[in-house]
Amino acid sequence: SQQGEEDPQALSIQEGENATMNCSYKTSINNLQWYRQNSGRGLVHLILIRSNEREKHSGRLRVTLDTSKKSSSLLITASRAADTASYFCATAANQAGTALIFGKGTTLSVSS
Amino acid sequence: DARVTQTPRHKVTEMGQEVTMRCQPILGHNTVFWYRQTMMQGLELLAYFRNRAPLDDSGMPKDRFSAEMPDATLATLKIQPSEPRDSAVYFCASGLVPMAQGILETQYFGPGTRLLVL
Repeated sequence: SQQGEEDPQALSIQEGENATMNCSYKTSINNLQWYRQNSGRGLVHLILIRSNEREKHSGRLRVTLDTSKKSSSLLITASRAADTASYFCATAANQAGTALIFGKGTTLSVSS
Repeated sequence: DARVTQTPRHKVTEMGQEVTMRCQPILGHNTVFWYRQTMMQGLELLAYFRNRAPLDDSGMPKDRFSAEMPDATLATLKIQPSEPRDSAVYFCASGLVPMAQGILETQYFGPGTRLLVL
């Protein structure tokens, strides 16, 4: 069963614009991660934010986490055509031995 | 550059045939996962292993699917007999879980096996 739900399901923007994707989850977590999947490829880890963190940056990526609302957002600034991909959030429960649970993803299309 | 490898990359087979997919996790990783991805269901966790022992295979249809880790460098997922509804992309992923904490962090995915059952 999916823990994370991404919103929107699809997003189309122009190069240079910012892209924001949201993720909501249901149960308490240890950490939340974002992954990218290019068409026909496997998922690639982008960034991890722990439950005691509120914001994290990595290059053009900015992730926020609001544990009171059980939600996270991924912001990609100054988007490029190469950012075109599906983006998934995944949550790790605060319990040893459990697997990541992935959402259904947001498909981002960046046109030049 | 360490990476997860999967074979075959593509497989076309007929209904009723056995399908075996293989995965070589990143050396030193102690946790291996099998996922299935379809347009309708998204990414579904089928099974995962810690130190080669199965931890959870509740996402896997038990009557036809089986997952094993014969050794630390090989994980297999078998479907017997295969059905058209098994058509999907199957991903293997590996990760390192610190034994003291036991909480998973980064997973590294393989390129997937694209299976088509006719």
